[in-house]
Amino acid sequence: GQSLEQPSEVTAVEGAIVQINCTYQTSGFYGLSWYQQHDGGAPTFLSYNALDGLEETGRFSSFLSRSDSYGYLLLQELQMKDSASYFCSAGGGYQKVTFGTGTKLQVIP
Amino acid sequence: DVKVTQSSRYLVKRTGEKVFLECVQDMDHENMFWYRQDPGLGLRLIYFSYDVKMKEKGDIPEGYSVSREKKERFSLILESASTNQTSMYLCASSLEEVAAFFGQGTRLTVV
Repeated sequence: GQSLEQPSEVTAVEGAIVQINCTYQTSGFYGLSWYQQHDGGAPTFLSYNALDGLEETGRFSSFLSRSDSYGYLLLQELQMKDSASYFCSAGGGYQKVTFGTGTKLQVIP
Repeated sequence: DVKVTQSSRYLVKRTGEKVFLECVQDMDHENMFWYRQDPGLGLRLIYFSYDVKMKEKGDIPEGYSVSREKKERFSLILESASTNQTSMYLCASSLEEVAAFFGQGTRLTVV
């Protein structure tokens, strides 16, 4: 089976940097992706890591270490609109895609 | 623009009813997924399909079935709705194991 673990809540100050960690256990692993979900909305895709290392997309970066079964999402220059839930997701065998339980990020002034 | 459309935003059904949730995507994606989302439990995979007429059980398939007769349409069926199936249901599609595009969700209440 597959399981992904994330912290349930994180609070950070506007303008700061925050890191959301994700550890995974999967039977078959293709890559780790990240999604953002605002209250009442659908998840939207943020980033994907198939290989070890850092991927940068604007203020958001994502990191993967396959040897450690670990990844993180880094959000820089936090804005109030970044307050949302963030999910990591692992792609496994036979196109099965499993999500973590999500991290609720609260950005405070 | 990428689009995944779910047939209803809100739905109220009675216990024991057969419920159909429809999902249509216009991106020619092979893979389609059904998740349910409950507070504190994240998104849990119910069923997925990687091709027409192909389906695979996810992590919580009990009480559900699916149908994929056409590439663009993936239906979730609750054979006999129960109150513990009250939830937000999310459909998604993707070309590979990532970059899933989600529909707006169906909030189902079973009374």
